[in-house]
Amino acid sequence: AQSVTQLGSHVSVSEGALVLLRCNYSSSVPPYLFWYVQYPNQGLQLLLKYTSAATLVKGINGFEAEFKKSETSFHLTKPSAHMSDAAEYFCAVTLGGYQKVTFGTGTKLQVIP
Amino acid sequence: EPEVTQTPSHQVTQMGQEVILRCVPISNHLYFYWYRQILGQKVEFLVSFYNNEISEKSEIFDDQFSVERPDGSNFTLKIRSTKLEDSAMYFCASREHQETQYFGPGTRLLVL
Repeated sequence: AQSVTQLGSHVSVSEGALVLLRCNYSSSVPPYLFWYVQYPNQGLQLLLKYTSAATLVKGINGFEAEFKKSETSFHLTKPSAHMSDAAEYFCAVTLGGYQKVTFGTGTKLQVIP
Repeated sequence: EPEVTQTPSHQVTQMGQEVILRCVPISNHLYFYWYRQILGQKVEFLVSFYNNEISEKSEIFDDQFSVERPDGSNFTLKIRSTKLEDSAMYFCASREHQETQYFGPGTRLLVL
C-alpha cells in the first residue's frame, strides 16, 4: 500500500518569496511521485513527476521537487512566488503498472502581494 | 498536445436519477480511471479499467456505479440511482504504458 502526507493544509507566502510545500510518502516498493496543481474550479494539471531517474525534478512554471529516499520526502519548491501560483497543490503516489494514484489531502497556497 | 476531455462540465440531477458521465481519453492510451473529489476533500480513486474490464475498484465503487468503454474512444461512468452524497467533481484519467496519468477537467455533479 502507498500513501502520501502533506504537511500544512494552507500555506501563505509573500510575492517573490520562496515556496516550500511539503510531502512525505510511504511505499513498500520504489514509488512514482507526482505533484499536481488545481486552480479554482479547474481540473488537475501535472506539475512534475519523479520516476526513478534524476532525484531533482524540474516541472512547469518554475517549480521543482527533490526526491529524498532517506527522508521519504518529495517537497515542492519554487524560488520566487508569483500571484498566479495561488492554487491547491496535491502530492500523489503510484506504484506503476495499472495501479491507482493516491493523492494527499492538498495544500492551498496563498500568495500575498 | 493531446488531452483528456470530459462532458458535461456540470450536471445537476435529482436524487434517484441515473447519470452518465463521459470521458474521451487520450487516443493511444490503454488504461482508464475515474476519481472523484467531494468539495473540500481530497481526490479519491474510484475504478481502473484495462482491456475492457475493471482492474481495481475502491469501496466507494459499489453496485450503483458502472463503467463502460462503448466504442474505441469513449469511457463512461454511470451512477444508476444518485444519492446526495454523490455530489462531487468526477475526474477521468488515462495513461499509456508509463506511469503518468493525465486527468481531464472534471464533471461537477450536483445531486438535489
